[in-house]
Amino acid sequence: GAVVSQHPSWVICKSGTSVKIECRSLDFQATTMFWYRQFPKQSLMLMATSNEGSKATYEQGVEKDKFLINHASLTLSTLTVTSAHPEDSSFYICSARPTGDVFFGQGTRLTVV
Amino acid sequence: QKEVEQNSGPLSVPEGAIASLNCTYSDRGSQSFFWYRQYSGKSPELIMSIYSNGDKEDGRFTAQLNKASQYVSLLIRDSQPSDSATYLCAVNLGGGADGLTFGKGTHLIIQP
Repeated sequence: GAVVSQHPSWVICKSGTSVKIECRSLDFQATTMFWYRQFPKQSLMLMATSNEGSKATYEQGVEKDKFLINHASLTLSTLTVTSAHPEDSSFYICSARPTGDVFFGQGTRLTVV
Repeated sequence: QKEVEQNSGPLSVPEGAIASLNCTYSDRGSQSFFWYRQYSGKSPELIMSIYSNGDKEDGRFTAQLNKASQYVSLLIRDSQPSDSATYLCAVNLGGGADGLTFGKGTHLIIQP
């Protein structure tokens, strides 16, 4: 299947700092990518849709000023968690849909201390 | 509000038997349906996608879709201990611009 690569796979940061997560499509171009968040023992929740060359679309309840998304090229979307707090600790996963199927990156485990 | 419902389990199945996982969804406009396997601490891995009513088979896996009943299922034949994982059902309205709505997942345990 298509390859979606995410980096870093895990990160620990101090409360109040910002963290950037990268999502790359390695063998296809993605005009749209998706960002999900998964808390322990829960399922994936869609946070936002990243659109190449335009503003991201955020799901209800997701703070767009806190979770900054940039999709500057057809192969790269970034999610920046600004002023991170312990409650932002979660598993962040990106995905893309090159054809019909939806593929996920490896995920980024964020721990805010 | 789009909803996807799954029995959280755990569902315990003897090795070699058939595991049956079920999922219902609320949005009648849904067009694309996916089953993912997720191991603890890992990202979801696509097992099957299905878009039209009926059965779709891939190796030991069979996905079944019934849009009239808003029901999708996954059968795993000859279950192996390595199949032990959480299985996520995901639904999409069909357009490439829409993200997926996930169920909470069913925890499957294959007993050796």
